[in-house]
Amino acid sequence: DIVMTQTPLSLSVAIGQSASISCKSSQSLKYSDGKTYLNWVFQSPGQSPKRLIYQVSKLDSGVPDRFSGTGSETDFTLKISRVEAEDLGVYYCCQGSYSWTFGGGTKLELK
Amino acid sequence: AVQLVESGGGLVQPKESLKISCAASGFTFSNAAMYWVRQAPGKGLEWVARIRTKPNNYATYYADSVKGRFTISRDDSKSMVYLQMDNLKTEDTAMYYCTYSQGAYWGQGTLVTVSS
Repeated sequence: DIVMTQTPLSLSVAIGQSASISCKSSQSLKYSDGKTYLNWVFQSPGQSPKRLIYQVSKLDSGVPDRFSGTGSETDFTLKISRVEAEDLGVYYCCQGSYSWTFGGGTKLELK
Repeated sequence: AVQLVESGGGLVQPKESLKISCAASGFTFSNAAMYWVRQAPGKGLEWVARIRTKPNNYATYYADSVKGRFTISRDDSKSMVYLQMDNLKTEDTAMYYCTYSQGAYWGQGTLVTVSS
């Protein structure tokens, strides 16, 4: 089974600062169709999860361009530039290339 | 608009069974692989089960933690997906979410509590 490892576990940022979260998979996520099914999911307290980014770098509809995703094969990064209060919560990377696996989550908190 | 509405959660005792449901609307359900994901209190997200479409023979897949105890099924005529949970354990206590399209859409969840 593929293991997804996220770092850091938590991140304290001030409003307006940038934040970066790393996600590493135990094997390449590039699928036989050439696509890499690495998604980023966000969950604010008490709410259902919401997908932000799919296939490494494609933003879901309505997601502000302050969010960006990069990476390939086994190493991926979510970057948030100019953090806003509504961005506070837990971020999960999730691979969908081989079954489904979530990372452990990164909690974004206010400094 | 896409809607996923879970129902059927509740309090059950260990070793008992429970079946939860998810009603889908706003998309072509029969073309969509469907998933169940759960979240134990204060913990992260855990994929539970997946069911593919008719052209893929409704193939099903399960997390090791539930294999042999949980069964995912679907009724395309009703746009419903189900999760039959047997021999429940206290560690199955969680909010259960229905989702599809690689997590593009999620329901509000239904809470399953397993406790004596």
